[in-house]
Amino acid sequence: QVQLVQSGAEVKKPGASVKVSCKASGYIFTRYTIHWVRQAPGQRLEWMGWINSGNGDTKYSQSFQGRVQGRVTLTRDTSASTAYMEVRSLRPEDTAVYYCAKEGQFTGDFDYWGQGTLVTVSS
Amino acid sequence: DIQMTQSPSSLSASVGDRVTITCRASQTISTYLNWYQQKPGKAPNLLIYAASTLQSGVPSRFSGSGSGTDFTLTISSLQPEDFATYYCQQSYSYYTFGQGTKLEIK
Repeated sequence: QVQLVQSGAEVKKPGASVKVSCKASGYIFTRYTIHWVRQAPGQRLEWMGWINSGNGDTKYSQSFQGRVQGRVTLTRDTSASTAYMEVRSLRPEDTAVYYCAKEGQFTGDFDYWGQGTLVTVSS
Repeated sequence: DIQMTQSPSSLSASVGDRVTITCRASQTISTYLNWYQQKPGKAPNLLIYAASTLQSGVPSRFSGSGSGTDFTLTISSLQPEDFATYYCQQSYSYYTFGQGTKLEIK
């Protein structure tokens, strides 16, 4: 069965970095795009970007990257079937739950999700 | 960016009720519209993709319709486990979500 298992909750100070992992199992990792979605407290889901798990190509939400001033990077390790999301120079407003999600086969839906990783940024 | 607007933002209903949630896109998105259910502290769960196709394992009381800019999610007979927040998402041009509809017990 398809599973996406994310790394655990993090508490960071402003200015630090965080790297969240998303380990995939139950399917061929390189065949499906992984998306990252952020949910700040009480807010709607916000698409951050995707990574092509096969060739490593990435695409970031322009509006999101503009707001975070390019501080987010998506990578993957095919040998570990794992995708990563890194945020640098953390700010309190980066406090959120970060989700990875696998893209479905047909129309851009997200058919499987990780359990979410809470990142808290506080001094 | 394509903006997605859901209505209502919150809704109170009783077990057994028929409920409809609406989602409107700021421009035409054909049928590139997906619906998710999210329970507190949990990840979203895909219910419907391509506007009207039920995801495997999702109960048949959930249905979706629409195309272009206007879409609906209908729950034909509310069950206790259906009280949650529902999000629409467009996947026509990148991805954006609606603000959510919180479905509460009356």
